Amino acid sequence: RKEVEQDPGPFNVPEGATVAFNCTYSNSASQSFFWYRQDCRKEPKLLMSVYSSGNEDGRFTAQLNRASQYISLLIRDSKLSDSATYLCVVTPPGAGGTSYGKLTFGQGTILTVHP
Amino acid sequence: NAGVTQTPKFRVLKTGQSMTLLCAQDMNHEYMYWYRQDPGMGLRLIHYSVGEGTTAKGEVPDGYNVSRLKKQNFLLGLESAAPSQTSVYFCASSYPVGSYTDTQYFGPGTRLTVL
Repeated sequence: RKEVEQDPGPFNVPEGATVAFNCTYSNSASQSFFWYRQDCRKEPKLLMSVYSSGNEDGRFTAQLNRASQYISLLIRDSKLSDSATYLCVVTPPGAGGTSYGKLTFGQGTILTVHP
Repeated sequence: NAGVTQTPKFRVLKTGQSMTLLCAQDMNHEYMYWYRQDPGMGLRLIHYSVGEGTTAKGEVPDGYNVSRLKKQNFLLGLESAAPSQTSVYFCASSYPVGSYTDTQYFGPGTRLTVL
């Protein structure tokens, strides 16, 4: 089983649509959770961190369910500029309580927003 | 600030040749990482460093060596390139905050083809 698994996608949605991505992680002791965005042939960039209480940043809402080991990302009112690959990212547990910032990435979900 | 830079951006090698990828960051970050990204596999950690003079193995270290002689630089070496090392290589850096680490910032990537 992969450590971080995402919806395979791709997702093709019209402008203005609401789209949701899901992700599961295998290690219940994982420490931190993120969504990164990667544009075509570019480097990944942090989109948002994910907290148990849920967090929102404009049109983006992220949720974490530790009991189910499940992470989600909701994008409302999709824009053409939202077209990208969305990476679910987890910080695994580390020896002595620190992971040294190491990240485990899901394989990514491709989103295409069309006019 | 330039952030994280990588040299070279593209390279084609023949099987058995050697090369070094250079990563430089000007953000005074303690932690640095090398990842490879292959289609359908997500990013996988090759090696990482938690400070000048230190290195450690990640998920896929075989066939690679690293060095961190200066805090701002992290070098990735391929001693004898193999076609299986054809990939996009990303460097990243971050700064520890207490027992957690801050966002990882990625370089633009190096596209390596081994024939």
